[in-house]
Amino acid sequence: GQQVMQIPQYQHVQEGEDFTTYCNSSTTLSNIQWYKQRPGGHPVFLIQLVKSGEVKKQKRLTFQFGEAKKNSSLHITATQTTDVGTYFCADNSGYSTLTFGKGTMLLVSP
Amino acid sequence: NAGVTQTPKFQVLKTGQSMTLQCAQDMNHEYMSWYRQDPGMGLRLIHYSVGAGITDQGEVPNGYNVSRSTTEDFPLRLLSAAPSQTSVYFCASSYAPGGGQYFGPGTRLTVL
Repeated sequence: GQQVMQIPQYQHVQEGEDFTTYCNSSTTLSNIQWYKQRPGGHPVFLIQLVKSGEVKKQKRLTFQFGEAKKNSSLHITATQTTDVGTYFCADNSGYSTLTFGKGTMLLVSP
Repeated sequence: NAGVTQTPKFQVLKTGQSMTLQCAQDMNHEYMSWYRQDPGMGLRLIHYSVGAGITDQGEVPNGYNVSRSTTEDFPLRLLSAAPSQTSVYFCASSYAPGGGQYFGPGTRLTVL
């Protein structure tokens, strides 16, 4: 799998603020997956993006895949304390293998 | 459905000991994998299987063995534990190699 870089590593927001995490690759990705891991928990699959320029929404979460398929983003509108956790992107270009980014840890203060 | 189950939840080993981490899924998924998670390192793939009888190495396979005799089970064996293997281990499964993965609750392993 290719290496995917996630930024930022960590973000602390006040409840109600927006949050965005970015996943970048130097080469073209075939598709990208996003996961959320609550503190002390296990990763939970959120979504998979396949098409160039694809945008998908899940309630307050918006996922985008770049036009060149070299980057992706996850945007959370009006964060809540339940959004706390680490968000990972994962590159599926290896078909049988997933390569995970190092994640963005989100802390939300009430 | 229980989903993906892992046992034990916690384990402490001494250097040189061997043990097997158990993983089972009841979703009839063909694809299963093992990851380790270390602080600041994200999730790294140890071994994976695309079906019963087929296994392959991931990014960090050294010191670990796997086998897949049934669709349901995918145990991970530590041959001779080392302190560098202190980590949280996650098993995952999916209906196909490219699909979203379902993770088990994890095993927290400490090697002294």
